[in-house]
Amino acid sequence: AQSVAQPEDQVNVAEGNPLTVKCTYSVSGNPYLFWYVQYPNRGLQFLLKYITGDNLVKGSYGFEAEFNKSQTSFHLKKPSALVSDSALYFCAVRVESYNTDKLIFGTGTRLQVFP
Amino acid sequence: DGGITQSPKYLFRKEGQNVTLSCEQNLNHDAMYWYRQDPGQGLRLIYYSQIVNDFQKGDIAEGYSVSREKKESFPLTVTSAQKNPTAFYLCASSPRGPGANVLTFGAGSRLTVL
Repeated sequence: AQSVAQPEDQVNVAEGNPLTVKCTYSVSGNPYLFWYVQYPNRGLQFLLKYITGDNLVKGSYGFEAEFNKSQTSFHLKKPSALVSDSALYFCAVRVESYNTDKLIFGTGTRLQVFP
Repeated sequence: DGGITQSPKYLFRKEGQNVTLSCEQNLNHDAMYWYRQDPGQGLRLIYYSQIVNDFQKGDIAEGYSVSREKKESFPLTVTSAQKNPTAFYLCASSPRGPGANVLTFGAGSRLTVL
């Protein structure tokens, strides 16, 4: 089955420290991978995506993600966390077939950045 | 400004009642989606539509219905057959082609069954 997993329900980090939010995936074929962020009582916002090319993808708000095919991972990273980065983060993978084209989302990881 | 508008933002329903959540987009996107969000379960796909007058069931379609009569509109009806309808509902849209799967989300509708 095609799926995406976020093993951590919550990640805590001090402001100014680097942060990592983990994501692993299971898909057939080449993966299309995405990260979205959700602020309280709001919809999700697109951060970045990996389709092909460089394994390190840069996105919005200083975030980047590293695609690792051998480990089937797509971890979200930021060199220096801000308190305003505190939010819920979702990893997603594209599932495509002859009659299907949709995203499957992980369960989300809550990022808490402490001043 | 282009975007997705969901209404109402908050909705209360008595058991046994059907309710319809509105989703309108002015982004000229072909594809539209409905997701349900529950704490600890992430987003689960209810229905999606790639083109007008066509839609497909997602992973949790039972107890829900949709229509796609216009490109910009994709309303979701939560029927009385949905056993646990209290949740946060998110509508999204995306273009076809190179931008496909980069979803733009609405602000959500929170449904509470009393």
